[in-house]
Amino acid sequence: LAKTTQPISMDSYEGQEVNITCSHNNIATNDYITWYQQFPSQGPRFIIQGYKTKVTNEVASLFIPADRKSSTLSLPRVSLSDTAVYYCLVGGIPGAGSYQLTFGKGTKLSVIP
Amino acid sequence: ETGVTQTPRHLVMGMTNKKSLKCEQHLGHNAMYWYKQSAKKPLELMFVYSLEERVENNSVPSRFSPECPNSSHLFLHLHTLQPEDSALYLCASSQDWGSGASTDTQYFGPGTRLTVL
Repeated sequence: LAKTTQPISMDSYEGQEVNITCSHNNIATNDYITWYQQFPSQGPRFIIQGYKTKVTNEVASLFIPADRKSSTLSLPRVSLSDTAVYYCLVGGIPGAGSYQLTFGKGTKLSVIP
Repeated sequence: ETGVTQTPRHLVMGMTNKKSLKCEQHLGHNAMYWYKQSAKKPLELMFVYSLEERVENNSVPSRFSPECPNSSHLFLHLHTLQPEDSALYLCASSQDWGSGASTDTQYFGPGTRLTVL
């Protein structure tokens, strides 16, 4: 079961680029890396997903080094509306125990005017 | 538009009441999930259904009873709840379950805010 570790919180000023790094040392060969965003009292929203190298969409970029033991979510030019909790997940593998796609505590990003 | 809807959005119930939460997904997915999110705690996976069969029950008390009549609908039946069960209950769906691949990506509904008095 791949466990992820992220910073608990980050602060950033509006207009800056924000990079949130997640470590997942035990990632399995067929695991994808997925990032979600959650606003208070709402369900998590899919942001981006990748397997290796770099993925970019209209919202963010995801950088994954060759060893895949970490990943970095990059949010360009954040605004106040990007204030949220960001979760990094890696796919679990069904086995003798419970299959778990586990949400950790996430990183609470606060964007400051 | 996430394609996953939940009703009701808010629910207040007494400890002796029986109520049900409903989730519907319009994405053609094969797997559906129930999560619980208490204040300032991580999301807790409760149940997973894949192709209408329950494949995960994450040690959830029996006062929570899930039902998946078809691949598009998921219910959570509630009875004799406790005040500590007050939380945001989230439903999610994914194309597949357990592959570890991109088709496991989950899409969430807006949640039901449950208050147990």
